[in-house]
Amino acid sequence: AQSVTQLDSQVPVFEEAPVELRCNYSSSVSVYLFWYVQYPNQGLQLLLKYLSGSTLVKGINGFEAEFNKSQTSFHLRKPSVHISDTAEYFCAVSNSGGYQKVTFGTGTKLQVIP
Amino acid sequence: GAVVSQHPSWVICKSGTSVKIECRSLDFQATTMFWYRQFPKQSLMLMATSNEGSKATYEQGVEKDKFLINHASLTLSTLTVTSAHPEDSSFYICSAQQGGGQYFGPGTRLTVL
Repeated sequence: AQSVTQLDSQVPVFEEAPVELRCNYSSSVSVYLFWYVQYPNQGLQLLLKYLSGSTLVKGINGFEAEFNKSQTSFHLRKPSVHISDTAEYFCAVSNSGGYQKVTFGTGTKLQVIP
Repeated sequence: GAVVSQHPSWVICKSGTSVKIECRSLDFQATTMFWYRQFPKQSLMLMATSNEGSKATYEQGVEKDKFLINHASLTLSTLTVTSAHPEDSSFYICSAQQGGGQYFGPGTRLTVL
């Protein structure tokens, strides 16, 4: 079984400051890792994903994440946030096999303060 | 690429009626689609996996007779909430698997009065 832990339910940060949203996972098999963003009353948009290769993954909107296998982490970072980044962010994991059932974390609400 | 649409985006219905939600992959074919449910301020919970041409696989605790899933083609899966009740009110989101990831629809807000 897989699980995802997002320890921070809310992260307030001032505009133009850096931010890190934490994500840890557990799995007994090789995994794919994802970060999704959800704006109010909307579906999920894929920010970035790690499938294999370089552990530093760059995504849309200036976000990046680093896969750390030894620490089973996949933290999301952005060097300078904007008001428009205010949203809910979900970390997710799936097995790397053919049947990719995705398990989501509980989400982190990023609040950018002007 | 990898665009998924849902219809309708929101629906209000009376208790006891049935509601059908469509999920379409617009620019790719998806043999596997997924249906999720999201309650306010909570994460997504997988309800079922929809496989083209075969029966859906339901997660534990999800009533298959209440949430009917049909995946009749490689670009369309439907979720029908039968005999809806107020507790079925929720945000329903589908996704389609493509290229090592899942791409999500915009969601359907269901309100049962």
